[in-house]
Amino acid sequence: DVKVTQSSRYLVKRTGEKVFLECVQDMDHENMFWYRQDPGLGLRLIYFSYDVKMKEKGDIPEGYSVSREKKERFSLILESASTNQTSMYLCASSSAAGGVYEQYFGPGTRLTVT
Amino acid sequence: AQSVAQPEDQVNVAEGNPLTVKCTYSVSGNPYLFWYVQYPNRGLQFLLKYITGDNLVKGSYGFEAEFNKSQTSFHLKKPSALVSDSALYFCAVRDWLTGGRNKLTFGTGTQLKVEL
Repeated sequence: DVKVTQSSRYLVKRTGEKVFLECVQDMDHENMFWYRQDPGLGLRLIYFSYDVKMKEKGDIPEGYSVSREKKERFSLILESASTNQTSMYLCASSSAAGGVYEQYFGPGTRLTVT
Repeated sequence: AQSVAQPEDQVNVAEGNPLTVKCTYSVSGNPYLFWYVQYPNRGLQFLLKYITGDNLVKGSYGFEAEFNKSQTSFHLKKPSALVSDSALYFCAVRDWLTGGRNKLTFGTGTQLKVEL
């Protein structure tokens, strides 16, 4: 079974703090993704990475950055957290193999910024 | 750009009755379509996908989905709903990128509530 783990299930941070969300996958997947999930808005892609040290902006990258130094690990960074970044953050991974497009998700991190 | 729409925010069904969760798509080229389920306080779980072939796709937990090209729809179905099917359901479509870069665009989700 594919396993995607996220460093925290719940996180509470103060406005202006730097926040790191970590994601690790154990299936040697090339692609990794960070989404935020908000009620009524579904999943919105923040950033994705298709290889080590490679990254691409998704639909809502403002206020976020990412790091992928190793294939299995993809980090999301909030340089200066703001209250409008309170949300559920989901990490996912997928293979680059032909015909296999589904993504596998971690359990999510519910971040509250006060 | 590829997109999917889920026209219903919530669907209510009695246990034992058939259920349908609707999804329509807009793509350029052949669509690759997916359904995911999310139980409370959990990540998304993959249910099924349509890439090519039979229009009726079978997936996990007794779910199936019907691909209809003329109506640009990919509705999720189950013949007999269970209370345990109550969850948030997402439809998704693959974006066309090069070089093995796979990206999905998700709908806004439909909350399914199955009552006794």
